[in-house]
Amino acid sequence: ILNVEQSPQSLHVQEGDSTNFTCSFPSSNFYALHWYRWETAKSPEALFVMTLNGDEKKKGRISATLNTKEGYSYLYIKGSQPEDSATYLCAFMNTDKLIFGTGTRLQVFP
Amino acid sequence: EAQVTQNPRYLITVTGKKLTVTCSQNMNHEYMSWYRQDPGLGLRQIYYSMNVEVTDKGDVPEGYKVSRKEKRNFPLILESPSPNQTSLYFCASRGARFGVGQFFGPGTRLTVL
Repeated sequence: ILNVEQSPQSLHVQEGDSTNFTCSFPSSNFYALHWYRWETAKSPEALFVMTLNGDEKKKGRISATLNTKEGYSYLYIKGSQPEDSATYLCAFMNTDKLIFGTGTRLQVFP
Repeated sequence: EAQVTQNPRYLITVTGKKLTVTCSQNMNHEYMSWYRQDPGLGLRQIYYSMNVEVTDKGDVPEGYKVSRKEKRNFPLILESPSPNQTSLYFCASRGARFGVGQFFGPGTRLTVL
């Protein structure tokens, strides 16, 4: 069974703090790595899809990096805001399947 | 508006009573998937489909059936629901290119008594 692990499970930060989370995935048979943002009572929304080793993606204050050789990806949030509070999911794509981690739950306090 | 729709959004039923959760997408996507979300377990894939008439099992297919007769629709069928199928279900779709993320439906909360 392919395993995708995310750490930490949860994180509480103050508004303005920068933070980062880790996603670990199998380093073989890699097709793509997805990041999703999932707000309470809503559906997950795609943030980034990364396919190449060394990929870096950025959307506003959120960025992500990818290392396929060692099997990890980092998601960074610069200057966290209360509206960044959500669960952040990563998913490893192996052929046609997407395998999700259990997520990192971020709470940003004003 | 590009979207994935699911119906019903909420359903309470009893053990053994067959039910279908519908899923439809308007983006002409090739890939469609069903997931269930349970506390502490994250999103687990039930079934997925690569195109019309092409489906495959995910990680937790037992007790579920799917069909893909049209590109836009991917219904999830529970022939004989049991209480351990009480969960939050999401349908999702994506195009064939690797670099594109999935679009998720709004979710269906199912309770089996």
